[in-house]
Amino acid sequence: GQQLNQSPQSMFIQEGEDVSMNCTSSSIFNTWLWYKQEPGEGPVLLIALYKAGELTSNGRLTAQFGITRKDSFLNISASIPSDVGIYFCAYMNYGGSQGNLIFGKGTKLSVKP
Amino acid sequence: EAGVAQSPRYKIIEKRQSVAFWCNPISGHATLYWYQQILGQGPKLLIQFQNNGVVDDSQLPKDRFSAERLKGVDSTLKIQPAKLEDSAVYLCASSPRTGAYNGYTFGSGTRLTVV
Repeated sequence: GQQLNQSPQSMFIQEGEDVSMNCTSSSIFNTWLWYKQEPGEGPVLLIALYKAGELTSNGRLTAQFGITRKDSFLNISASIPSDVGIYFCAYMNYGGSQGNLIFGKGTKLSVKP
Repeated sequence: EAGVAQSPRYKIIEKRQSVAFWCNPISGHATLYWYQQILGQGPKLLIQFQNNGVVDDSQLPKDRFSAERLKGVDSTLKIQPAKLEDSAVYLCASSPRTGAYNGYTFGSGTRLTVV
């Protein structure tokens, strides 16, 4: 599978601040996925993006599918303590007939009350 | 709907010992996955089953790791013998069918520490 590069690796912010993170690849994808993993749990799907340029919101979360189809962005507005966790971008690997998720290394978010 | 169940939650073993993890997927999900998540990294696929057949095990270290999914439901992942670098969280996931990310659900994982 192709490698996904996420930045930043970690963020320490104050409650109420906005957050931006991104994910890039050298390959073109048809779908970008964003997951959140809380401590001691498995990743949970937040947002799925299907089309270049698409902007999709889920509450205070907004994600965009880059025009080049090689990147994606996730923004969190007015952060709260429960936003703490690791945010992963991912794509569905259809190589062969597998169909499985490939993840980036994640952005770890810490929120100070 | 019950989620993906995994056990145990935690396991500490000495290097060269054996260990096994168990996963019960969501009822009716045909596809089951095992991922390894090393601290500071994203989950990495080890093996994928479609019903009780292996679809992809290209990243499974087959000299020490084995997995089975008897009867196409529960699955076990075994490490024998364990090495220090096997310390990680082992996540099981299931999905209704191959390639379906809607419904692709992860368990809470088993945290393995090899000392």
